[in-house]
Amino acid sequence: GESVGLHLPTLSVQEGDNSIINCAYSNSASDYFIWYKQESGKGPQFIIDIRSNMDKRQGQRVTVLLNKTVKHLSLQIAATQPGDSAVYFCAENTSGAGSYQLTFGKGTKLSVIP
Amino acid sequence: NAGVMQNPRHLVRRRGQEARLRCSPMKGHSHVYWYRQLPEEGLKFMVYLQKENIIDESGMPKERFSAEFPKEGPSILRIQQVVRGDSAAYFCASSYAGTGDEFFGPGTRLTVL
Repeated sequence: GESVGLHLPTLSVQEGDNSIINCAYSNSASDYFIWYKQESGKGPQFIIDIRSNMDKRQGQRVTVLLNKTVKHLSLQIAATQPGDSAVYFCAENTSGAGSYQLTFGKGTKLSVIP
Repeated sequence: NAGVMQNPRHLVRRRGQEARLRCSPMKGHSHVYWYRQLPEEGLKFMVYLQKENIIDESGMPKERFSAEFPKEGPSILRIQQVVRGDSAAYFCASSYAGTGDEFFGPGTRLTVL
């Protein structure tokens, strides 16, 4: 079961370095995945998505990798900037059940050191 | 070019009172989702609605909680007889086609005294 009240995993990176944030998802039937960025006091902001028929997708400074064999998702941020400091959540979505709710992971806090 | 709007942004209630949270989806979106977030946790799905219909309420407590999305006006999440455990941030998201690409509002932070 899930743990409640534990501190979020934290990743600290130097400004300009690349960041890699990992996520293990739970449902092998999930076919759509999204990474969200959440800054303090704000709602989640869409970053990038990927469907299960792909294993890699690139955006501006971000890349998402999907490994369905081990149910693992990663978000790579190139040349990390102070404005990237936030909590990052992966979310999985299972279509076909009449509902498209997202199941969120616990989140990783990214701190960028200037 | 407004995104998802939620109000109020902050709501304080005493135990036993009612809380009403409003969500206006993005223009053109007819699918609305409500999520709850406790501090340092991910968002938990509560309910999924289309105009005038509840599609999936599997994440919503059976008692005290209700949601609606009328033909006109915002979606409302209603919590009756609030308890301290209801204190959380409540986020609304909307999508155009209900296929999982959801855009979130800024949230309503509910504090129950």
